[in-house]
Amino acid sequence: AQSVAQPEDQVNVAEGNPLTVKCTYSVSGNPYLFWYVQYPNRGLQFLLKYITGDNLVKGSYGFEAEFNKSQTSFHLKKPSALVSDSALYFCAVSHGTYNDMRFGAGTRLTVKP
Amino acid sequence: ETGVTQSPTHLIKTRGQQVTLRCSSQSGHNTVSWYQQALGQGPQFIFQYYREEENGRGNFPPRFSGLQFPNYSSELNVNALELDDSALYLCASSLGREQDFGPGTRLTVT
Repeated sequence: AQSVAQPEDQVNVAEGNPLTVKCTYSVSGNPYLFWYVQYPNRGLQFLLKYITGDNLVKGSYGFEAEFNKSQTSFHLKKPSALVSDSALYFCAVSHGTYNDMRFGAGTRLTVKP
Repeated sequence: ETGVTQSPTHLIKTRGQQVTLRCSSQSGHNTVSWYQQALGQGPQFIFQYYREEENGRGNFPPRFSGLQFPNYSSELNVNALELDDSALYLCASSLGREQDFGPGTRLTVT
């Protein structure tokens, strides 16, 4: 069975500093990995995905993520955080024939001015 | 914003009642998935429909059931509501691996 873990409930960074939100996954075979963001009282917004190919994936709003197969990680990064990046971030994995996604518990990112 | 819509936005039901939630897919998407997101948690996969057939199910009891229609819209039905069913219910449509999520339906069971 596939699963993801987000080891940090909360990440705090200052505006303009780089940010990292961590994610590790467990899956047999090749994973499909995703990051979504959720703002209060909203659904999930897609940020980026890794399917195959280049390990560094670039996504929306200046976010990127690095797929590391040896460490089974898919950390989300941004070189310079904005206050508007403050939200709940979810890592997800899907695998195999069915496209069901398994989500992590989420990491709340707070960017302070 | 995606093209996935859900109705209603909010719903309050009493324990033991039944509820139906609705989802309209993004145009061209033939797969619909439903997720339950309890407060403070990540979304949990309920089930998935592909061309009107259920083709995957998470760890949810049979009182959670669904339908997908020829236009790929979908319903989630929950019978015999329990207090723990209170959550945000998310619908997602897809054609490939990436899923587009709707805004969700907030269900409160009292």
